[in-house]
Amino acid sequence: DAKTTQPPSMDCAEGRAANLPCNHSTISGNEYVYWYRQIHSQGPQYIIHGLKNNETNEMASLIITEDRKSSTLILPHATLRDTAVYYCIVRPGGNNAGNMLTFGGGTRLMVKP
Amino acid sequence: IAGITQAPTSQILAAGRRMTLRCTQDMRHNAMYWYRQDLGLGLRLIHYSNTAGTTGKGEVPDGYSVSRANTDDFPLTLASAVPSQTSVYFCASSDKGLGEETQYFGPGTRLLVL
Repeated sequence: DAKTTQPPSMDCAEGRAANLPCNHSTISGNEYVYWYRQIHSQGPQYIIHGLKNNETNEMASLIITEDRKSSTLILPHATLRDTAVYYCIVRPGGNNAGNMLTFGGGTRLMVKP
Repeated sequence: IAGITQAPTSQILAAGRRMTLRCTQDMRHNAMYWYRQDLGLGLRLIHYSNTAGTTGKGEVPDGYSVSRANTDDFPLTLASAVPSQTSVYFCASSDKGLGEETQYFGPGTRLLVL
């Protein structure tokens, strides 16, 4: 069973905010929400993660609903270089590398001029 | 610049041959991972290591072996390659914090088994 559901693709105009949704209705109390992206032919790149509070860093903002069943990744000013597949992942906390990152299909974001 | 390096970048390999994919990180991360990514699919974990001297099986370990003799290196070996092992292989590492973990990925090795 997929732990997360994301739209397969989205378009965004360059310079506008890109809002990427993710549903994780079966998330457990100790599971974090992670976002990674993969630009064509490159390794995945960490973007941001959170547990229940909204988070912001130099790349993006993460908004998690109060019930934690969904979240939104926000790229405030999308550029052409943000074109990539974005993966929303839920993962338990704890120091066990066997708690793998499960990459689903992700959302293919196309930023257009 | 600190990070993860993988070698080779790409390789064409005859079926039945032995192959070792190399992965080195200079961030002194405790945990390391090997994933494979097939066309149109997400990444799948092959093997992992929580710390030097320990390894564990991931989602798709069959046909692969790993070793973790030191903190920096985590080689992946295909003892006898088969065409279904044609894939892009990514190595990753993480500095495991309390309950949280961010993985940093290498550039990948593209392997074609004929």
